[in-house]
Amino acid sequence: DTEVTQTPKHLVMGMTNKKSLKCEQHMGHRAMYWYKQKAKKPPELMFVYSYEKLSINESVPSRFSPECPNSSLLNLHLHALQPEDSALYLCASSQPGTGVPTEAFFGQGTRLTVV
Amino acid sequence: EDKVVQSPLSLVVHEGDTVTLNCSYEVTNFRSLLWYKQEKKAPTFLFMLTSSGIEKKSGRLSSILDKKELFSILNITATQTGDSAVYLCAVQGGNDNTNAGKSTFGDGTTLTVKP
Repeated sequence: DTEVTQTPKHLVMGMTNKKSLKCEQHMGHRAMYWYKQKAKKPPELMFVYSYEKLSINESVPSRFSPECPNSSLLNLHLHALQPEDSALYLCASSQPGTGVPTEAFFGQGTRLTVV
Repeated sequence: EDKVVQSPLSLVVHEGDTVTLNCSYEVTNFRSLLWYKQEKKAPTFLFMLTSSGIEKKSGRLSSILDKKELFSILNITATQTGDSAVYLCAVQGGNDNTNAGKSTFGDGTTLTVKP
């Protein structure tokens, strides 16, 4: 199994809603990532979890709240989002490595629209 | 701050043509350079390059890294319409051994292959 699975595929939410994005992998990877991608732009890193601990937060607003309940799952909790937060949210995973570079495998993404 | 610049930003060719995509970078403590292909959703991994001068090859695609001049090229020979996509270059750098997968992406090259 070399897949990263994201749910839902599409999400429309209002600015007062609370929703969660989910990501799952069963490749034994111990590093997981959230990226945000706007149209015609490259992915931008949001958060990195390494061994289930948050290791990088790229100055993401607190309306985005990540959670890593175990080594296979990664969630992104959304609350009070703005229309400009509409984007494709990509999850990725990799071996964290000990100085050894590794490639990240991406999920298919959740297309989020904030209305 | 790590920086990745890709050129050209877009390219239109006809089936059968050969294309060369460029990626130059500035990164602290370079670890690796990765190429991804992105069609509608998730980036799919193509190559990871860590050593200068060693060509990686997969079918009609090949890539090479020059760590002295800080660039990489991705070649696609005998292009097909299915090669139409955005090709993303990413670099991994930094000192943190637990985040080997953290990548900084370039803006991508949009390749269109016409029949």
